[in-house]
Amino acid sequence: NAGVTQTPKFQVLKTGQSMTLQCAQDMNHNSMYWYRQDPGMGLRLIYYSASEGTTDKGEVPNGYNVSRLNKREFSLRLESAAPSQTSVYFCASRLGNTEAFFGQGTRLTVV
Amino acid sequence: QKEVEQNSGPLSVPEGAIASLNCTYSDRGSQSFFWYRQYSGKSPELIMFIYSNGDKEDGRFTAQLNKASQYVSLLIRDSQPSDSATYLCAVYGGGSYIPTFGRGTSLIVHP
Repeated sequence: NAGVTQTPKFQVLKTGQSMTLQCAQDMNHNSMYWYRQDPGMGLRLIYYSASEGTTDKGEVPNGYNVSRLNKREFSLRLESAAPSQTSVYFCASRLGNTEAFFGQGTRLTVV
Repeated sequence: QKEVEQNSGPLSVPEGAIASLNCTYSDRGSQSFFWYRQYSGKSPELIMFIYSNGDKEDGRFTAQLNKASQYVSLLIRDSQPSDSATYLCAVYGGGSYIPTFGRGTSLIVHP
């Protein structure tokens, strides 16, 4: 049972480049989330998907897009990376009123 | 705007002491409360959850919830150096798909 799997674990981008962060869960969870975590800022919600086929903006959506490809997969895309997007990104999933399970994180540096 | 407040710390306690971590929240409709532990460079992992007023114990950990005063706390008895981490409080409102996280409290347990 892999839980929540994120790829890649590390990435360095040049300003203006694009990339997609992948997330997959094998727990049959309905809800999936993308967070970024910066020093002193805690976890900030970028986008979430309450169920397959729906996505909604969170607290800090600017500069990002998401796709809920199916129930298992929820990807995060940076169309034109900026240094302000340097962060650690976490994907999480949740079933109903239970706790959220987190992926291992992606450490992204934009230079 | 739903808010979850935590003292950022660091909270420093000697080995064997009781560590007390506190969290206050603004949404009176909140129904479920979670404590996560996050080691440096790792993803958050669930420590405990609590839904009802009162205390809930699990080994060395006790979660306390007071909905009237809108606070939830985590007590760690017989603190160990391995408990040194950041502790995140997460609050879920009734029927909400979106958890609100506090910024976390850094705990240092020194030998």
